[in-house]
Amino acid sequence: GNSVTQMEGPVTLSEEAFLTINCTYTATGYPSLFWYVQYPGEGLQLLLKATKADDKGSNKGFEATYRKETTSFHLEKGSVQVSDSAVYFCALTLNDYKLSFGAGTTVTVRA
Amino acid sequence: NAGVTQTPKFQVLKTGQSMTLQCAQDMNHNSMYWYRQDPGMGLRLIYYSASEGTTDKGEVPNGYNVSRLNKREFSLRLESAAPSQTSVYFCASSASTGGAAPYFGPGTRLTVT
Repeated sequence: GNSVTQMEGPVTLSEEAFLTINCTYTATGYPSLFWYVQYPGEGLQLLLKATKADDKGSNKGFEATYRKETTSFHLEKGSVQVSDSAVYFCALTLNDYKLSFGAGTTVTVRA
Repeated sequence: NAGVTQTPKFQVLKTGQSMTLQCAQDMNHNSMYWYRQDPGMGLRLIYYSASEGTTDKGEVPNGYNVSRLNKREFSLRLESAAPSQTSVYFCASSASTGGAAPYFGPGTRLTVT
């Protein structure tokens, strides 16, 4: 079946540090890939997406590149802020309307 | 534009009680979903509705029923609540094309004692 594995947290960083959250996937076919962010007490918000190999999704300074050869979609940000503290979820979907999520990575950024 | 709305935001039930979680979207999306979120497990799909008039089981459907009332509304019912159903429930919707990113509601935090 389809599955997503992301690095375990929690991750604690200082402001302006570089952030990487690893995500790898297993899928039968060519999925669309997403990163969602969840701020405390809120629902999930779509952060970025990529729908085919070598696509790069980007938003709010975050980037992720769809790597078919390594089945990965790692999330990166060059300089994090306190406001980036949240839980980040990697997810995939094939053309069957169902989204498979990773377990989530909690990121805390200290001033 | 409200997006996806859910009611209630919080609920406490006793074991064996029933309740319905309501969800509505105003984005004219065809597909709607119910997920539950538990610590360390990400989100798991309970039921989904690919289009008005259809519903299908997801990964963890036992103990739940759903109704796609119309294109806008998709409700989740717990007939006889159990402590294992203590969770945060999220409704989501997406465009009909497979591969579209779902938009999520704010969630309902349910506790079953």
